[in-house]
Amino acid sequence: GIQVEQSPPDLILQEGANSTLRCNFSDSVNNLQWFHQNPWGQLINLFYIPSGTKQNGRLSATTVATERYSLLYISSSQTTDSGVYFCAVLSKRSNDYKLSFGAGTTVTVRA
Amino acid sequence: SQTIHQWPATLVQPVGSPLSLECTVEGTSNPNLYWYRQAAGRGLQLLFYSVGIGQISSEVPQNLSASRPQDRQFILSSKKLLLSDSGFYLCAWDRANYGYTFGSGTRLTVV
Repeated sequence: GIQVEQSPPDLILQEGANSTLRCNFSDSVNNLQWFHQNPWGQLINLFYIPSGTKQNGRLSATTVATERYSLLYISSSQTTDSGVYFCAVLSKRSNDYKLSFGAGTTVTVRA
Repeated sequence: SQTIHQWPATLVQPVGSPLSLECTVEGTSNPNLYWYRQAAGRGLQLLFYSVGIGQISSEVPQNLSASRPQDRQFILSSKKLLLSDSGFYLCAWDRANYGYTFGSGTRLTVV
């Protein structure tokens, strides 16, 4: 199946700093999403971005499908940005609907 | 608008007891539905998915089963819980060009 690798595994930021999270995937995708899992466990859909660039407030994401990677940018980080960020993809080769998740990047923003 | 409901939020059950977790989706028809599990400190694992009433696909052999008695209802069950069934259970549905949306999750502790 498709492989999804996220880096870095852990990230510690000072409040106000900017950061970039990366997601590499091993095959062509129909779907790519970025999720934020908050301390209560809820998975929040940040971006649906199989290609191109999107922005939502202080967050933005870019997916270069031809090179099989996606980047999530966090600008002016706040303590509420802490949590685990997951990249998840749906392979074009897949005959079903299984979303494959990366292992996540744990972000800690310190005041 | 579409919403997904999942309950209960937390559950503590003794080993050998039965389990029933319910997930419902509102505001759409014939959604694809999914059950995922997340063990503590680990990634998400797809357990079951359903593309229609009575249609269930299982991803991993386990002590759990799933049913879809109605179009927008997805139930996760077990006849006898094991300690290893502890974890965070998430229901999800997906729609074209938007991706997956997850419920708020059920944290199950088997004691």
